[in-house]
Amino acid sequence: DAGVIQSPRHEVTEMGQEVTLRCKPISGHNSLFWYRQTMMRGLELLIYFNNNVPIDDSGMPEDRFSAKMPNASFSTLKIQPSEPRDSAVYFCASSLSLNPSGNTIYFGEGSWLTVV
Amino acid sequence: AQSVSQHNHHVILSEAASLELGCNYSYGGTVNLFWYVQYPGQHLQLLLKYFSGDPLVKGIKGFEAEFIKSKFSFNLRKPSVQWSDTAEYFCAVNAPGGNNRLAFGKGNQVVVIP
Repeated sequence: DAGVIQSPRHEVTEMGQEVTLRCKPISGHNSLFWYRQTMMRGLELLIYFNNNVPIDDSGMPEDRFSAKMPNASFSTLKIQPSEPRDSAVYFCASSLSLNPSGNTIYFGEGSWLTVV
Repeated sequence: AQSVSQHNHHVILSEAASLELGCNYSYGGTVNLFWYVQYPGQHLQLLLKYFSGDPLVKGIKGFEAEFIKSKFSFNLRKPSVQWSDTAEYFCAVNAPGGNNRLAFGKGNQVVVIP
């Protein structure tokens, strides 16, 4: 079982540049989540997809952030233009959503973003 | 919406000491409860979970948690910690059958001194 796969693991970019983070969920999972982790705010849910459809994007901080899920095995989180305050660890996570009793959410190893 | 409270954000203790981390949630319905652990520089890993059944849940690495419905609590415990338990611990809750989104607490930073 490969787990949730994220890339890049680390990225350092200059302010104003576009950043694209990628995620491959666990095969067969139909829910995908993007979280952001910072010292100040802890873990924040940015956006949640179910069956490739965005369900809740209320956590996306502003229009500079966008996320897509073109198919069941791939999602991107894009920041354009990036700003230093976007520096954080971005986690992708996935789960099954068909079990009414509950589901475990599995996390990727994160993308460590630094915007200078 | 669910919310999760974790107290004592920073905990420092010696090896072999007992650990208990408190977690309280605010949600009136049936919930699923989780504890995740994040070792330094790593991603979140599931420590244990409660969906239904026995309210005392055993997890990996000697951790356990007890769901007390009347207190809206899901406290994490380990009778004797090791240096390798140094990590950040997150309590999380979601509602089964809902949109599956997890609400996380702020986390407990635990440092175990050898």
